[in-house]
Amino acid sequence: ETGVTQTPRHLVMGMTNKKSLKCEQHLGHNAMYWYKQSAKKPLELMFVYNFKEQTENNSVPSRFSPECPNSSHLFLHLHTLQPEDSALYLCASSQERGSTDTQYFGPGTRLTVL
Amino acid sequence: GQNIDQPTEMTATEGAIVQINCTYQTSGFNGLFWYQQHAGEAPTFLSYNVLDGLEEKGRFSSFLSRSKGYSYLLLKELQMKDSASYLCAVRDRRGYQKVTFGTGTKLQVIP
Repeated sequence: ETGVTQTPRHLVMGMTNKKSLKCEQHLGHNAMYWYKQSAKKPLELMFVYNFKEQTENNSVPSRFSPECPNSSHLFLHLHTLQPEDSALYLCASSQERGSTDTQYFGPGTRLTVL
Repeated sequence: GQNIDQPTEMTATEGAIVQINCTYQTSGFNGLFWYQQHAGEAPTFLSYNVLDGLEEKGRFSSFLSRSKGYSYLLLKELQMKDSASYLCAVRDRRGYQKVTFGTGTKLQVIP
């Protein structure tokens, strides 16, 4: 299943680095999501984009900056992260935010902040 | 907000049947999802319930009781490859159809 792809799959960065995570969906969907998954915690919704417009920001620190240039691509720009930001970052897409359809997930980026 | 509870871990034997329970509290319920997530991989969609009753899909079935705030995922004829985490997620019609996930149940299938 390659409907939603994410790169890189693994990333190790220092606290002073700047990096970006990329997500691409090939499903013709209009909504895209960023989730954070930490050990022993539920998936945490970070950002939602619907038709390229950000519709939700769940009190995410400004060191995480999303970008959605079109309905197929979603980025998460990272800068001055903290060790507690180490987690699996998952991208998902669905037909449209606010509808009752299903979200499909990418394989995730395993981020380690040193 | 929503409270979603599911057991942290379960163990079952290959070929057997296992039931994974999920309870939730929300005043704007608008559907419940089950996802399967193998270690290091993406969650994959298993089932969706919005009305009371049982939805069957091959070896997997999902049940919902809205009045009790309760769902279960039933896995039959367990196979070793079913070892994974199973995530219960609830959609709320408030907050623009927000989906909230439980912590997941890690299922280990043993020979």
